[in-house]
Amino acid sequence: SAVISQKPSRDICQRGTSLTIQCQVDSQVTMMFWYRQQPGQSLTLIATANQGSEATYESGFVIDKFPISRPNLTFSTLTVSNMSPEDSSIYLCSVWRGGETQYFGPGTRLLVL
Amino acid sequence: GNSVTQMEGPVTLSEEAFLTINCTYTATGYPSLFWYVQYPGEGLQLLLKATKADDKGSNKGFEATYRKETTSFHLEKGSVQVSDSAVYFCALTEDYKLSFGAGTTVTVRA
Repeated sequence: SAVISQKPSRDICQRGTSLTIQCQVDSQVTMMFWYRQQPGQSLTLIATANQGSEATYESGFVIDKFPISRPNLTFSTLTVSNMSPEDSSIYLCSVWRGGETQYFGPGTRLLVL
Repeated sequence: GNSVTQMEGPVTLSEEAFLTINCTYTATGYPSLFWYVQYPGEGLQLLLKATKADDKGSNKGFEATYRKETTSFHLEKGSVQVSDSAVYFCALTEDYKLSFGAGTTVTVRA
């Protein structure tokens, strides 16, 4: 398995502001992923973050709204920009490890007022 | 594209009852299949997985068998406990990306 931490664990933000979520992994990994889980819904992949290259975004997600950094093999950030109440979700990072298995961080619970 | 269809909930059971959550998938190739569990207020945990046809994944009394002929990966537990109350997600992966089912909320009453 993998030990993954996220900061902050939760936050309440005002609309129009931005929040940066950090994800730290206990060892080096090639691929990191960011997911969104809207209230009562399943998880949706936002983007894949590889070190040394730009993140790859899924359909419906754009870099201007969700900029991602991946400065090294153990760390990544996701920024939720110009937030609206519709951005209220749990944001999770995950890593690929151990033969086709993804392990998830504890999530960041975001409420936008 | 890939997709996962999961039995809708919520499901409410009494302790020691038998639990089945149905999951079927559509994939272009040969995906790996997973069950993840999300306990109240917690993150997503891997429950079990199977990487090829006829593999059986098992953990914490839960089992699921990869059935290629029926494109299914149903989750079962013979005797549930209150502590099994959670949301269960079926998922598949191809090309490193996970596709999730809608999730099934399971509540076990004492």
